[in-house]
Amino acid sequence: DTEVTQTPKHLVMGMTNKKSLKCEQHMGHRAMYWYKQKAKKPPELMFVYSYEKLSINESVPSRFSPECPNSSLLNLHLHALQPEDSALYLCASSQPTSGRGNEQFFGPGTRLTVL
Amino acid sequence: SQQGEEDPQALSIQEGENATMNCSYKTSINNLQWYRQNSGRGLVHLILIRSNEREKHSGRLRVTLDTSKKSSSLLITASRAADTASYFCAFEFSPVTNAGNNRKLIWGLGTSLGVNP
Repeated sequence: DTEVTQTPKHLVMGMTNKKSLKCEQHMGHRAMYWYKQKAKKPPELMFVYSYEKLSINESVPSRFSPECPNSSLLNLHLHALQPEDSALYLCASSQPTSGRGNEQFFGPGTRLTVL
Repeated sequence: SQQGEEDPQALSIQEGENATMNCSYKTSINNLQWYRQNSGRGLVHLILIRSNEREKHSGRLRVTLDTSKKSSSLLITASRAADTASYFCAFEFSPVTNAGNNRKLIWGLGTSLGVNP
């Protein structure tokens, strides 16, 4: 199984809502990533988990809260978001110790709209 | 800025023609990768070239790397309408603060390729 799955595909939420994005992979990868991508822009790294521990937080506002319950799952909890947080949120995974380099496998993304 | 630069920003060609896009960077790298993204969807890894390699092929894709000029190019030969997508380069470097498992990719701004049938 070489797939990264993300749910939901689309999410519309108000600024006072709490919601979660979910990501799952069964490739045995031990590094997982959250990216945010605006239209016609490259993905912006938000968080990296390595062996289920948060290893990189790219100064992301606290209204985004990541969680890695186990080596296959990655969540992004959302609370009190702003309209400018509307974007495509991408999850990716890789095998950090692979001799192939940090080739990342991406999910299809969650299209988030904040009203 | 560590961000990579790509050119052209946009490219429109006819089916059957070749497409070339370029990426430049400013730091020393471990490897450079190319990804494709169809409209509004996830990215797909295309090819990885290590810093000690100069050229790599995968099907209709040819990637070159010139570390002295800190640049790479992606050539897609005999293009098809299905190649229409955005193409991003991404490079991996390993500064002292991000050693070992904390490596991250630095992304170029992307080239939007349109292939007309």
